[in-house]
Amino acid sequence: GAGVSQSPSNKVTEKGKDVELRCDPISGHTALYWYRQRLGQGLEFLIYFQGNSAPDKSGLPSDRFSAERTGESVSTLTIQRTQQEDSAVYLCASSLVSAIQETQYFGPGTRLLVL
Amino acid sequence: AQRVTQPEKLLSVFKGAPVELKCNYSYSGSPELFWYVQYSRQRLQLLLRHISRESIKGFTADLNKGETSFHLKKPFAQEEDSAMYYCALNNYGQNFVFGPGTRLSVLP
Repeated sequence: GAGVSQSPSNKVTEKGKDVELRCDPISGHTALYWYRQRLGQGLEFLIYFQGNSAPDKSGLPSDRFSAERTGESVSTLTIQRTQQEDSAVYLCASSLVSAIQETQYFGPGTRLLVL
Repeated sequence: AQRVTQPEKLLSVFKGAPVELKCNYSYSGSPELFWYVQYSRQRLQLLLRHISRESIKGFTADLNKGETSFHLKKPFAQEEDSAMYYCALNNYGQNFVFGPGTRLSVLP
C-alpha cells in the first residue's frame, strides 16, 4: 500500500459544528494511534487502538472527542461542537503490532481550523 | 506521570559541526525511547529507537538512566539534517508520550 492516508487534508469549520476525520492505516496493521499537534507544540496522544482490545482513550481531552475503528481498518475521529482551541493538525499512525516493537507509520495529517 | 522534555525549541549549528539534541524524561519504570524526525513537507518518521541500539544517518542516542536522558548526537552535521526532531517514550505497549520537539537548522 501507499502508506497511512488521512482525509480530508484540510478542514475549515465554524465553531459549534461537528467534524469527522478519517484515517486509513496500512493494511494488516493492528495498532492505530491518533495524535493532535497544536501550532508550535509537540504531539499530544489522543487514543490508541490495538486489535480487538478495548481502546486506550486516556488522551481524549473532553467528551466532545470520540473515535471508532472498524476491526483492523479505517478509523474515524469525531469532534462534536468544535471550539477554536480544537484547531490543530490531527495525525494518525499505524504499526504492525504494538509500536513498542514496530515502527509507527504516520499519515500526512488533517489540518483543522475552527473559526 | 510520564513526561518528555526537550529544552531547546531551536538549535542552529554550522555544517560539519557536532550536534546534540537534548531529551530528558520522567518515568518510574524502564521506558523505551525513540527519536522521530519530520523533514520539511514530509511525514513524521522514526529515526531511531533505544531498543535497537542503532545508528541511523550518523545519529546515535544513548540512554542514561541516571540522568534520565536520551540525547541525540551526530559528530558532523549536514544541511540535510535540518528538520524537526521529537523525542518520545513508550510505557510498554501503552500510549506514547512525545516531547515538544526541537527544530534543528544546519547552516552552510
